[in-house]
Amino acid sequence: SQTIHQWPATLVQPVGSPLSLECTVEGTSNPNLYWYRQAAGRGLQLLFYSVGIGQISSEVPQNLSASRPQDRQFILSSKKLLLSDSGFYLCAWSVGMVQYFGPGTRLTVT
Amino acid sequence: GQQLNQSPQSMFIQEGEDVSMNCTSSSIFNTWLWYKQDPGEGPVLLIALYKAGELTSNGRLTAQFGITRKDSFLNISASIPSDVGIYFCAGPERTSGTYKYIFGTGTRLKVLA
Repeated sequence: SQTIHQWPATLVQPVGSPLSLECTVEGTSNPNLYWYRQAAGRGLQLLFYSVGIGQISSEVPQNLSASRPQDRQFILSSKKLLLSDSGFYLCAWSVGMVQYFGPGTRLTVT
Repeated sequence: GQQLNQSPQSMFIQEGEDVSMNCTSSSIFNTWLWYKQDPGEGPVLLIALYKAGELTSNGRLTAQFGITRKDSFLNISASIPSDVGIYFCAGPERTSGTYKYIFGTGTRLKVLA
């Protein structure tokens, strides 16, 4: 069966520090991968998606970037975090029309 | 961009009551997805609907794909405390080589014991 992992689960970082969040999927090949951000009590905002290694589409211009170095690995990065980058970051994968989410990373920028 | 309108936004119900929520769109979807999100966790897929008029159950949950393909409904029967959470509807939108997913604003459910 397929599983999706995200780490770390929680992260507290100072403003101006770099960020790297990792997502890996097991049990499937060539998945479409997604990064979302969810503000407290709010809906899901799509940040990036990828249909294959090295292929990244950005939905919202901002302080973040994404990379897909391997088929089942998706990384979300920032060179310098802003306070507004705080939130709950969700990785997701899809095959066909159904999407599945990871457990999320809670990022607090102080 | 396209939006999904979900209602109600929130609801308080007594344990044992049935719950109904719906999701409407200004355009057609070929698939409807329903998720539940517990606090601090990722959304979990509850039900996927693939065909207009389809009625699908998952335990106490039943979801329907509207005939017009512009709406979907989720019902929870005999609610229990663990049904608390936020319920999202979603529909895939075809884009270059993949799908992007349009999400509803969520229905926050609170169950009073």
